[in-house]
Amino acid sequence: DVKVTQSSRYLVKRTGEKVFLECVQDMDHENMFWYRQDPGLGLRLIYFSYDVKMKEKGDIPEGYSVSREKKERFSLILESASTNQTSMYLCASSSLADYEDEQYFGPGTRLTVT
Amino acid sequence: SQQGEEDPQALSIQEGENATMNCSYKTSINNLQWYRQNSGRGLVHLILIRSNEREKHSGRLRVTLDTSKKSSSLLITASRAADTASYFCATDVVYNQGGKLIFGQGTELSVKP
Repeated sequence: DVKVTQSSRYLVKRTGEKVFLECVQDMDHENMFWYRQDPGLGLRLIYFSYDVKMKEKGDIPEGYSVSREKKERFSLILESASTNQTSMYLCASSSLADYEDEQYFGPGTRLTVT
Repeated sequence: SQQGEEDPQALSIQEGENATMNCSYKTSINNLQWYRQNSGRGLVHLILIRSNEREKHSGRLRVTLDTSKKSSSLLITASRAADTASYFCATDVVYNQGGKLIFGQGTELSVKP
């Protein structure tokens, strides 16, 4: 079974702090994604990566950066956390070889910025 | 930008009844997927229907796709309290070397025992 894990389920940070959210998948997937989920807005794509050291902006990249140094790990970085980044963050992965693009999701990290 | 839009936003039914959720999208697709999310958890893939398919079944799930109307529906038959969750449709977008999905806002289903 594919397993996607996220470093924390709940996180509380202060405004201005640098925040790292880590995501690891164990199925050798090429594609990895970071979404944020807010009530009434659904899932919005922040960044995605289709290979090591490669990244592409999603729909809402402002205020975020990402790092993919190893195939299994995709990190989301909030350089200077702000209260409007309080949200549920979901990581997902998929296989380039799977043309059907089914995504496998981690359990999510609920981030609160105070 | 949201490609898929679900309707209704919320649905409340009694156990044993059928639940129907609809999804509309705007651009051409290769496939459309449905996901489920239990409260506070990640999403789980339910079913995928390709653009050349009109209907697909998986257990108590039935998905239809009408590419001429750019719409899909998810039917859950004989619903159970455990089906209570949010349901999302997602359409694919081919982008460079990797595909990405665009998710709708979801339908929140409540099944009362």
